[in-house]
Amino acid sequence: KQEVTQIPAALSVPEGENLVLNCSFTDSAIYNLQWFRQDPGKGLTSLLLIQSSQREQTSGRLNASLDKSSGRSTLYIAASQPGDSATYLCAVPSSGYSTLTFGKGTMLLVSP
Amino acid sequence: GAVVSQHPSWVICKSGTSVKIECRSLDFQATTMFWYRQFPKQSLMLMATSNEGSKATYEQGVEKDKFLINHASLTLSTLTVTSAHPEDSSFYICSARIDGQTLTEAFFGQGTRLTVV
Repeated sequence: KQEVTQIPAALSVPEGENLVLNCSFTDSAIYNLQWFRQDPGKGLTSLLLIQSSQREQTSGRLNASLDKSSGRSTLYIAASQPGDSATYLCAVPSSGYSTLTFGKGTMLLVSP
Repeated sequence: GAVVSQHPSWVICKSGTSVKIECRSLDFQATTMFWYRQFPKQSLMLMATSNEGSKATYEQGVEKDKFLINHASLTLSTLTVTSAHPEDSSFYICSARIDGQTLTEAFFGQGTRLTVV
């Protein structure tokens, strides 16, 4: 059974810092990995999708890397801003591929 | 990206009543949709897979008679929490992928905060 772990559970930083959020998964036989952002009381916004054949994916100040063999992904946020404050979730396909298994998320607070 | 719309975004109901939550794919067809539940500071947990024109598939431990799912069209799935109790209070989120693109991005609704009093 796939399990996803995210470290740290919470992170508080001043504005402008570069951040690394970590995600690990137990079953490396995945075909993609997805990073999401969740604001308090809101749904999920997809940030980045990395296919298993890719090693990284970039969108603006966000960069996600994937190391399938070691079962790890990192989300790098450059020059953090208060608007980046949210919970960041990573997810990988569950067995059967249609659904996703989520980590518990990293709650990020960026202070001005 | 594709849009999944969920309604209502929040609802408060009395214990013993039923609540219906709608999930719509606005600009694509989704034969299959997924319903998740999220308790505070916990991860999303899959409740059931909703299949257009057939019965939903429930995850272990999820009561099918309590959480009724209807997927009547290619763009609409509904989740009805029947005889709701305070322990059903949670955040419910639906998800869908574009038909024929099961290996790509999953899109999520805005979620529904259910509070049972």
